[in-house]
Amino acid sequence: SQQGEEDPQALSIQEGENATMNCSYKTSINNLQWYRQNSGRGLVHLILIRSNEREKHSGRLRVTLDTSKKSSSLLITASRAADTASYFCATKANDMRFGAGTRLTVKP
Amino acid sequence: DAGITQSPRHKVTETGTPVTLRCHQTENHRYMYWYRQDPGHGLRLIHYSYGVKDTDKGEVSDGYSVSRSKTEDFLLTLESATSSQTSVYFCAIRRDHSPPYEQYFGPGTRLTVT
Repeated sequence: SQQGEEDPQALSIQEGENATMNCSYKTSINNLQWYRQNSGRGLVHLILIRSNEREKHSGRLRVTLDTSKKSSSLLITASRAADTASYFCATKANDMRFGAGTRLTVKP
Repeated sequence: DAGITQSPRHKVTETGTPVTLRCHQTENHRYMYWYRQDPGHGLRLIHYSYGVKDTDKGEVSDGYSVSRSKTEDFLLTLESATSSQTSVYFCAIRRDHSPPYEQYFGPGTRLTVT
């Protein structure tokens, strides 16, 4: 069974807009990670946030974590067409569990 | 890319035949993982290894076996392939020399069972 559940399943925006994706999970975690996957390719690790952290930044990425609500969000600012990909959250407890992903399309 | 390669990258096989997928890493990490990815399910863990000859089951291990005789290689075997095992298979490693741990993935193997 999946641990993380991403929302929305699909998101389409214009270049330059911000994209926000959400992830909810069910059990206590050690950390939560976001990955990106371009069509037909493997996954690329984007960012990790520990359970005792609330917010983390990496370039145009901003991740928040609310352990009381068991949820996380990934914000991509000033999106580019090259950001078009699927984004997955993964939670780390005893093992890693991945959600089904959010498919982001950024239109030029 | 953490030096992870998978072979083959694509395979078509018939129901009932055995299939072995290989994951190779060049950085001597202890932890290696096999996942399958299917539409609507995301990634699901099949098996993982925490050292040579040390393996454990994941959430979808039925019909799969693994072997780790060398640190650098983690093999996934479908003893008798079924159509439900048509999927994209990803290998991953976990960098274990400093916390927090992160996983890095190989390029994937697309397996079709006809």
